[in-house]
Amino acid sequence: DGGITQSPKYLFRKEGQNVTLSCEQNLNHDAMYWYRQDPGQGLRLIYYSQIVNDFQKGDIAEGYSVSREKKESFPLTVTSAQKNPTAFYLCASSIDQRELFFGEGSRLTVL
Amino acid sequence: AQSVTQLDSHVSVSEGTPVLLRCNYSSSYSPSLFWYVQHPNKGLQLLLKYTSAATLVKGINGFEAEFKKSETSFHLTKPSAHMSDAAEYFCVVSDINTDKLIFGTGTRLQVFP
Repeated sequence: DGGITQSPKYLFRKEGQNVTLSCEQNLNHDAMYWYRQDPGQGLRLIYYSQIVNDFQKGDIAEGYSVSREKKESFPLTVTSAQKNPTAFYLCASSIDQRELFFGEGSRLTVL
Repeated sequence: AQSVTQLDSHVSVSEGTPVLLRCNYSSSYSPSLFWYVQHPNKGLQLLLKYTSAATLVKGINGFEAEFKKSETSFHLTKPSAHMSDAAEYFCVVSDINTDKLIFGTGTRLQVFP
């Protein structure tokens, strides 16, 4: 089955630690996205990539980093510089940058 | 700049009654508009989209939305709610300049038996 796989589903982090969230897709989509979701807010764009080896900052990129070495993979690192990292993180891909296909999300909690 | 406003943060209905989730948008151009649904602790799924074709758009699971330019609205409706419709719904507009999606803050739909 084609789709987007995010892992881990739940992750706990101590303050000062970097963590990496995985996102893999087998839909053959060029574009991939990372969103952050907080209660009562819409999704906010962290980073996006329209092609391999290229990515752009979204609206809230500070404290995050990404790479796009393969078409299928777009991992997100939440660094210690991110002041409030507890959130639900969603990865998505698209073929035309409009209709997004989402993974099931990763919930990060900072202890 | 484009923006989208979901007028209700929570909507509660009884099973079998109609559903209305309201969305207003702001755009200088004729926008592309979407409704996505999110069940608890899941990713989002596209319900339907408007891209300047027919103004009445039919989606999955019996949902539909009507694009009304004069009212700058794109309300989501369903004639008869089902328990499985309980979820969060997001109205989304596509930014004409960047093609990035701008999400509303969401409407949580509760369905009571």
